[in-house]
This record gives sequence, structure tokens and C-alpha cells, in this order.
Amino acid sequence: GQNIDQPTEMTATEGAIVQINCTYQTSGFNGLFWYQQHAGEAPTFLSYNVLDGLEEKGRFSSFLSRSKGYSYLLLKELQMKDSASYLCAVRGNYQLIWGAGTKLIIKP
Amino acid sequence: DGGITQSPKYLFRKEGQNVTLSCEQNLNHDAMYWYRQDPGQGLRLIYYSQIVNDFQKGDIAEGYSVSREKKESFPLTVTSAQKNPTAFYLCASTAGWARGTDTQYFGPGTRLTVL
Repeated sequence: GQNIDQPTEMTATEGAIVQINCTYQTSGFNGLFWYQQHAGEAPTFLSYNVLDGLEEKGRFSSFLSRSKGYSYLLLKELQMKDSASYLCAVRGNYQLIWGAGTKLIIKP
Repeated sequence: DGGITQSPKYLFRKEGQNVTLSCEQNLNHDAMYWYRQDPGQGLRLIYYSQIVNDFQKGDIAEGYSVSREKKESFPLTVTSAQKNPTAFYLCASTAGWARGTDTQYFGPGTRLTVL
């Protein structure tokens, strides 16, 4: 079967760093996406990894290890506006397979 | 501005009624998708279309129907056969599966409530 696992909820403090993990088991792998989704809104694209390693984009970085079926999203200098759900999605052979998302709560 | 529009944002329906959700894109994208999102769950694929006049069932197509008569439009009909239709519906599009990163861009969503 195909499966993507993420923690359901995480809490962090404004200004701190948080790492959101994603593990996957899929038939076929053609890249991994991270999306941000604020409550009641559509997901918006954050990052895409297809090769192993770290991709940095401002305060956000995403890491991929294909051999371990593992990725993480690293958010630095957390701001209150980062409170949202973060969705991990794997591009399989024919479609995207989505994780349930991690709800990130930021406290002052 | 290029983008994806969905209408209406909120929709109420009585049990036993069919309802059609609109999705339009002016990004010149070939592929379009319909997802359903329920609380605490990931996005689940209902239908997708990679080209005009062709579409494929996703994981949860039962009780839904679509058409793709124009490149820009991919309406979804929620029929009375769908047993639990209350959900948040998201439409997305991509340039095409074979092209580059194939990032999915989403419309604002339609929240359907069955009364």
C-alpha cells in the first residue's frame, strides 16, 4: 500500500525553529512536495525535492532522503503567521499522494 | 492575473439534490484535478483530467461526475448517490504531468454542506 506519515500537531514558540517530519512508502517516487495551508484556505506551494539533500528558501528549508523514505520541513525564526497546517505530498507514478498534514501552533 | 477560480465559496444543499461546483483556470494548464478534504485527513483525489475530453477516476469517484469540454473548465457534480458529501472541495491544475516539477496550483475551494 501507499502511506505517508506526519505528526498530527506540533507547538512551537515565536522566534524559534521547528522541524516537521514526513515519512513515506509509495509505489514509485518522482519527488516530494511541501504545502502550507491556513485554516479554511487552499494549500500553497512551499518546496519540491527530487534529489537527496537540503533545499533552502528563505526561512524555510526542506530535506529529502530517498533511501530512508524521509523528508523534513524546517522553519526558522517562527512568526505568528506561520500557524497553519503543513502538508507533505509524494509524486508517485500517476498522481500525488497526500499526507494528512501537521497542524503547527505558534505561541508568543 | 492568472489563476484558478472556484465558485461558490460556500454551498448548501438539501439531501437528494445534485449540485455542480465550478472550476475555471486561465493558466493554460493541461491537467486539472478535484480533491476532497475532510477534517484530520489528507487530500483525496476524486477525478483528474490530463487533456480536454478525457478524465480519469481518482480514489473516491463514487457519487461524483465531471466533464472536460474546454481546457479552462473542469466542473464537478456531486450527485445524490454520494453518501457523505459535506466537505471542503479543492480544484487544482498543473502544466502537465510530464513537465518539470508539475507543481499543483489550487483554487480557493468550495465548502459544501448538506442539510
